[in-house]
Parts: sequence; structure tokens; C-alpha cells
Amino acid sequence: NAGVTQTPKFRVLKTGQSMTLLCAQDMNHEYMYWYRQDPGMGLRLIHYSVGEGTTAKGEVPDGYNVSRLKKQNFLLGLESAAPSQTSVYFCASSFDRGQDEQFFGPGTRLTVL
Amino acid sequence: GENVEQHPSTLSVQEGDSAVIKCTYSDSASNYFPWYKQELGKRPQLIIDIRSNVGEKKDQRIAVTLNKTAKHFSLHITETQPEDSAVYFCAANFADMRFGAGTRLTVKP
Repeated sequence: NAGVTQTPKFRVLKTGQSMTLLCAQDMNHEYMYWYRQDPGMGLRLIHYSVGEGTTAKGEVPDGYNVSRLKKQNFLLGLESAAPSQTSVYFCASSFDRGQDEQFFGPGTRLTVL
Repeated sequence: GENVEQHPSTLSVQEGDSAVIKCTYSDSASNYFPWYKQELGKRPQLIIDIRSNVGEKKDQRIAVTLNKTAKHFSLHITETQPEDSAVYFCAANFADMRFGAGTRLTVKP
């Protein structure tokens, strides 16, 4: 039972490059989330998904896209990376939205030069 | 707007002392308030949560209190130990979960 996993763990990009972060969960959760964590700012929601094939914008969605083609996977894409997207990205999943514990992945540390 | 304010941002205590972290929230409709602990380089993990139908919840050395009228809730850690050193985040549910900015707790042996 792996819980929530994320790949890659670390990545360095140059400005303008693109990349995709992969999140996978084996708990059969309907709800999945992508957060970014910056010093002194807590966790801010980028996008979330309430089920396979559905996604929605969170608090800070600009510059990111997401897809949830399979229930267990939630992908976060950066089409044209900017230095302001340097951050630690956490994926999470939960059984219920807003009423239940969120289980977090180990995080991806992204640096955009 | 929807937000959660958390204080203090840093807290240093001696081992064995108590620690208290406070959060306020803006939406009176919020009804679920979790607390997460994040050790250095690790993922956030839930340590305790409270729902709006109760005023206090305890789990061994940690407790959370909720005052819905004042829209604030607090985390209390008693008999602190060095392994309690971490960043603690409060959160409240609005349309989505909103997290406080975090409190870095240091427990000095």
C-alpha cells in the first residue's frame, strides 16, 4: 500500500521549458489536489479533481494545467516554466472534499532557472 | 476573501513546556478544521482535526479547541518533546481547503 506517490522528486528547468509532474494514489480516492508550498505561504491549491475526467481551478491556477484520465493518476503540467514557479509541489488525495483528511505525496522540488 | 491566519510564525519552547498555536478563519460556514505536522523535508501529515459540532478534541498530548462564534481555533501541545519540532499548519474548509502560513515549532532539550 504505497499511499500517494509523486514523480519526479527533483527537477531543474530552464525558463520556457515544459514538464509534467505525475501523482498516483492507490487508496481509491475520488478527490485529488495539487498544491504548491512556498516559504512563509503555507500550501496553496493550484488545481483539483473531483473524479476521473474532471478538473477545476484552485487558488493559484495560472501557468498550470492538469489532467485526470484515470482515477488513480493526477498530472500537473507546466507548459512554459517561469522562475516564479520555483517551489515544492505536493499532490494529495482524499475520500471526501473538505470534510476529510488529505493524504499527501512526498513532494517534488522544482527549480526554474 | 477566504483566508486562514495563523500565529505565531515561529515558536520556541523548552522540553516539557506547553505550546499553543492559534488560527482564525474568515468564513462562518467552515465546519472542518484539521491540523497538519510537517517535519523537515517530509510531507504534511494530519495530527488532529475537529468538526464544528464539538468545541474540543484531545489525543494524548495534543488537543484542539474551536470557538465558532469568534471564528478561531487553537492547537495545544503539552509536555513537549524534541520530536515535536516541526512546522504545523492549520486549515479550514471553504469552497476548498485553505491552509495557514505555518508555525515553526522548536523544542529545546
